[in-house]
Amino acid sequence: EAQVTQNPRYLITVTGKKLTVTCSQNMNHEYMSWYRQDPGLGLRQIYYSMNVEVTDKGDVPEGYKVSRKEKRNFPLILESPSPNQTSLYFCASSLTSSSYEQYFGPGTRLTVT
Amino acid sequence: GDSVTQMEGPVTLSEEAFLTINCTYTATGYPSLFWYVQYPGEGLQLLLKATKADDKGSNKGFEATYRKETTSFHLEKGSVQVSDSAVYFCALRGQRGSTLGRLYFGRGTQLTVWP
Repeated sequence: EAQVTQNPRYLITVTGKKLTVTCSQNMNHEYMSWYRQDPGLGLRQIYYSMNVEVTDKGDVPEGYKVSRKEKRNFPLILESPSPNQTSLYFCASSLTSSSYEQYFGPGTRLTVT
Repeated sequence: GDSVTQMEGPVTLSEEAFLTINCTYTATGYPSLFWYVQYPGEGLQLLLKATKADDKGSNKGFEATYRKETTSFHLEKGSVQVSDSAVYFCALRGQRGSTLGRLYFGRGTQLTVWP
C-alpha cells in the first residue's frame, strides 16, 4: 500500500531534550516536506526536499533541522525543543515538486513542556 | 506573497443540507488550487483540484470552480452526509523557484453534520 508513515504518532517531551520525528514514503517520491499545523493558522511548511541531499527552508524553519540521505526518508530534528514547538506535524510527499497531488502522513502530535 | 483566506468555522449542518465554504486567494499569476480534507485523527487527503482559470474540480459530490475574476475557489456540496464531517482546507501551490511544490493553506473549516 502506497503511504507516508510517521513515528512517533504522539510524543510528550521536556524543553531542551533533542528529538527526531521520522518520515518514510514507499512511493519513490522525489519531493518531501514537513508542515506544522496550529489552531487558527492552518498548515505551514517547515522544510522541504527536492531530492536526496537537497533540502531547503520553508516558511517556519527556526528551531528545526532535516536531512535527506535516502530518497524514502526525511526525518525532522528538534535539537533543543521549546514549548512554542508544541504542534501537530505532518510529513508530505509527491512525485516531484510540480506534481498536483501531495500525500500526507497521519501526523505526529508533539507536546513540549 | 501567496496566501489563502478561508471562511472560518465551525459550520454545523443537518444531513442533506447545502454546503458552501468560501475561499479566496492572493497570488501572482494563476496558481493551482486545491481542497484538502482531514478526517479525525488522520492526515490530509486531496479532495479536488483545479489547475487553471474556469476549471471545475469535483469529487465525492463536492465541487469548486476556479474563478480568476473574483480570485475565489469556493467549495460546495448539494447534500451533505454525516460522513462528510471533517476539517476542510483550501490551498494553493507555489509557482516558482523555492516555492514550487509548497502548499499555502487556509486556516481550515470544521464541518459537523448532524443526522
